[in-house]
Amino acid sequence: SQTIHQWPATLVQPVGSPLSLECTVEGTSNPNLYWYRQAAGRGLQLLFYSVGIGQISSEVPQNLSASRPQDRQFILSSKKLLLSDSGFYLCAWSFETYEQYFGPGTRLTVT
Amino acid sequence: GENVEQHPSTLSVQEGDSAVIKCTYSDSASNYFPWYKQELGKGPQLIIDIRSNVGEKKDQRIAVTLNKTAKHFSLHITETQPEDSAVYFCAARDGGYQKVTFGTGTKLQVIP
Repeated sequence: SQTIHQWPATLVQPVGSPLSLECTVEGTSNPNLYWYRQAAGRGLQLLFYSVGIGQISSEVPQNLSASRPQDRQFILSSKKLLLSDSGFYLCAWSFETYEQYFGPGTRLTVT
Repeated sequence: GENVEQHPSTLSVQEGDSAVIKCTYSDSASNYFPWYKQELGKGPQLIIDIRSNVGEKKDQRIAVTLNKTAKHFSLHITETQPEDSAVYFCAARDGGYQKVTFGTGTKLQVIP
């Protein structure tokens, strides 16, 4: 069966510091991968999605970037965090079917 | 692009009663409609989905209906239990894209 991992689970970072969040999927090959952000009490905003290694599509202009160095690894990064980057970051995967499955999330607080 | 609206934003029901959450979508090309349940501090969990060639789908106490003409779909939970308390999200996917557009969520509270 497939599983999706995210780490760290929680992170507190000062404004201006760099960021690296990692997502890995097990049990499948060549999945579609997604990064979402969820502000407190809000819906899910799609940030990036990837259909293959090195293929990244950005949905909204922002202070973040994404990379997919390996088939089942998706990384969310920032060079300098802003207060507005705080939120709950979710990675998700899908394959040939339409179903999209989410990881446990990373709670990021920028202070 | 697709726009998904979800109502109500909060819903309180007595244990054992039914709960209904409604969503509308804008893009007639959308052909897949999942529903997710999110518990506090966790990632959303897919609970049921429906494709545009089906009008209704049921899984135990949960059912989803789809009206393609009106471009709306609904989640029905019968015999609600306290463990049904969570935030529920509807979503719609355009068959030509890898993206899913989510509604803004409904916070369901089941009162024992």
